Amino acid sequence: AQTVTQSQPEMSVQEAETVTLSCTYDTSESDYYLFWYKQPPSRQMILVIRQEAYKQQNATENRFSVNFQKAAKSFSLKISDSQLGDAAMYFCAYIRLRGTGNTGKLIFGQGTTLQVKP
Amino acid sequence: EAGVAQSPRYKIIEKRQSVAFWCNPISGHATLYWYQQILGQGPKLLIQFQNNGVVDDSQLPKDRFSAERLKGVDSTLKIQPAKLEDSAVYLCASSRRDISGSPLHFGNGTRLTVT
Repeated sequence: AQTVTQSQPEMSVQEAETVTLSCTYDTSESDYYLFWYKQPPSRQMILVIRQEAYKQQNATENRFSVNFQKAAKSFSLKISDSQLGDAAMYFCAYIRLRGTGNTGKLIFGQGTTLQVKP
Repeated sequence: EAGVAQSPRYKIIEKRQSVAFWCNPISGHATLYWYQQILGQGPKLLIQFQNNGVVDDSQLPKDRFSAERLKGVDSTLKIQPAKLEDSAVYLCASSRRDISGSPLHFGNGTRLTVT
C-alpha cells in the first residue's frame, strides 16, 4: 500500500527567509504524481506545486520549488522569500496513475503547520 | 471557472442523528471524491466516483455512511446515525479524467460537530 509521511508536525520561518518542508513516500509503482497542497484556516485545499515521477527536472512555481529524489522516495518543498500569507498547513500527496487518465486515489501525508514570523 | 461548491459550511448535530452534505463539482469534471479530515490529520478518502459509478469506497463505513452521485454531476454524502468520532471536516473534490495527473480541486468543506 502507498503511504506518505511528513515527519515535521510544525515548522516556523522568519519572513523573507527560506524554509524546507520534508516528505517521504512509499510505493512500488513507477508512474505517479506528487503534489504539495496548502490549507489555510479557510479549509480549502489549494494546489501549490505538482511533480511528475517520470520527469527528472524539479518543478518550480515562483517562490515554491521541490527537491524530488525518486530513488530515495523523497519530495521536499522549498519556500523562498517567505511571506505572512504562506502561513498554513501544508500537505504532501501522492496519486498513482491507472492506465489512461487520472483515476487514482490521492493519498495525503499528516501535514506540516507552517508559521511565518514577522 | 466556478470552483467546487459545498454546503452547508457548518453543521452541529447530536449523536444518533442523521446529516447530509451536498457537493457540486466543477463543470466537466468526471471524477468526484469525498474526503474526511479529522482535526490535525491529513484527509482520508471515503469514496471516489467516476461519472455516476463508484471507483473506490473501501474506506467508507458502509453501516452508517452512504453516498450517491445522481446523473454524474452533484453528489450527496449521508451519515446515519452519527457518532462522536464522525466529527471532522468533509471535503469534496473533483478532477478531469481525461488529463493524466490533473490535480484535484477542492471545495471549502463542511465542518461537522457531533455532540
